[in-house]
Amino acid sequence: AQSVAQPEDQVNVAEGNPLTVKCTYSVSGNPYLFWYVQYPNRGLQFLLKYITGDNLVKGSYGFEAEFNKSQTSFHLKKPSALVSDSALYFCAVRDQGYSSYKLIFGSGTRLLVRP
Amino acid sequence: GAVVSQHPSWVICKSGTSVKIECRSLDFQATTMFWYRQFPKQSLMLMATSNEGSKATYEQGVEKDKFLINHASLTLSTLTVTSAHPEDSSFYICSATQGARAETQYFGPGTRLLVL
Repeated sequence: AQSVAQPEDQVNVAEGNPLTVKCTYSVSGNPYLFWYVQYPNRGLQFLLKYITGDNLVKGSYGFEAEFNKSQTSFHLKKPSALVSDSALYFCAVRDQGYSSYKLIFGSGTRLLVRP
Repeated sequence: GAVVSQHPSWVICKSGTSVKIECRSLDFQATTMFWYRQFPKQSLMLMATSNEGSKATYEQGVEKDKFLINHASLTLSTLTVTSAHPEDSSFYICSATQGARAETQYFGPGTRLLVL
């Protein structure tokens, strides 16, 4: 069965400091991995994805994520956090082997960047 | 590119009435559209998957007669909540994918439904 775990309900970081939002996954085959961000009362915005190739993926707004197959992780990172990065972040996975396009979402991590 | 819109953004209705929510892909043809429901401070729950011209595939526990989905064209899918009740109040979000590989889902801004 496919699953995604975001172990932290909330991450607090000071503006200008690096941030990491953790994500681990479980699929039977090779994964497609995604990060989305959600601002209050809004839909999800696509940040970045890993399909194949380079393990370090760069996305929107200065975010990046590193695919680690041995640790089955896909942590989201940013070198210098902004107050405007405060939002709810979702990691999602899809098994490349399945014909279904369904995404499995993690429970979400709230990022709070303090000035 | 890859913009998805939803209409309305919010709706208040009386118990027993039906509400229709539209999801449109504005700048691409969506081979597949998805409908999600999100409760406060929770993750997204997939309700159904729809392909243009085909019947929607509903997730386990989702009543297809309650939540009617029509995917009439490659740019439009609609979700109708029939005979709405207060427990149907929620945030409904659609997403769409394009192309044969359909790798990335692009999400609409969501529709907040309040049933009185």
